Amino acid sequence: DAGITQSPRHKVTETGTPVTLRCHQTENHRYMYWYRQDPGHGLRLIHYSYGVKDTDKGEVSDGYSVSRSKTEDFLLTLESATSSQTSVYFCAISESNRQETQYFGPGTRLLVL
Amino acid sequence: GEDVEQSLFLSVREGDSSVINCTYTDSSSTYLYWYKQEPGAGLQLLTYIFSNMDMKQDQRLTVLLNKKDKHLSLRIADTQTGDSAIYFCAESPHLAGNMLTFGGGTRLMVKP
Repeated sequence: DAGITQSPRHKVTETGTPVTLRCHQTENHRYMYWYRQDPGHGLRLIHYSYGVKDTDKGEVSDGYSVSRSKTEDFLLTLESATSSQTSVYFCAISESNRQETQYFGPGTRLLVL
Repeated sequence: GEDVEQSLFLSVREGDSSVINCTYTDSSSTYLYWYKQEPGAGLQLLTYIFSNMDMKQDQRLTVLLNKKDKHLSLRIADTQTGDSAIYFCAESPHLAGNMLTFGGGTRLMVKP
């Protein structure tokens, strides 16, 4: 398995609280991605990074921010969590931007009450 | 915007062939992908096909593309219980990780 971990794996929080999810890789891959997965929607891209301090928005970026201060870590922050952000969040990494090289983490299940 | 549709559920018997279907609306789709998600895990890329191809075969997997009808299918020969998972179709105008549009997934159940 690719060296990619996510923490926490499960989290329950209340509406209005800040939440940060961490993705950590040991592969030294340049590209990192955050997706959310909701029933009937497949995966939707939230933000992605193409290098340290280089990030860009995806399809569903509203309400989320990201940071990448070093190659191995990509953080996803919900500044003020809402119930609509209840979801399963997946991090992915890739050496290049070619789709066949993308590897996924195990996911973080977030419940916002 | 782009739309990718899949049926929700498919049940087959072990040893039979499975066919999972997908339709898409974006005529600029250039790359079409199939992913597998096992319980509690992330997505695993199974295969992809370029839009100028009609078919791609990889061991037990056969991908068929009907570009005119914007229809993609994944056939799994000799389906095994280990093939039970959710299968996602996705499309992209480019071979780039930030441009994917996913379908909602088809849950395949393989009965012994």
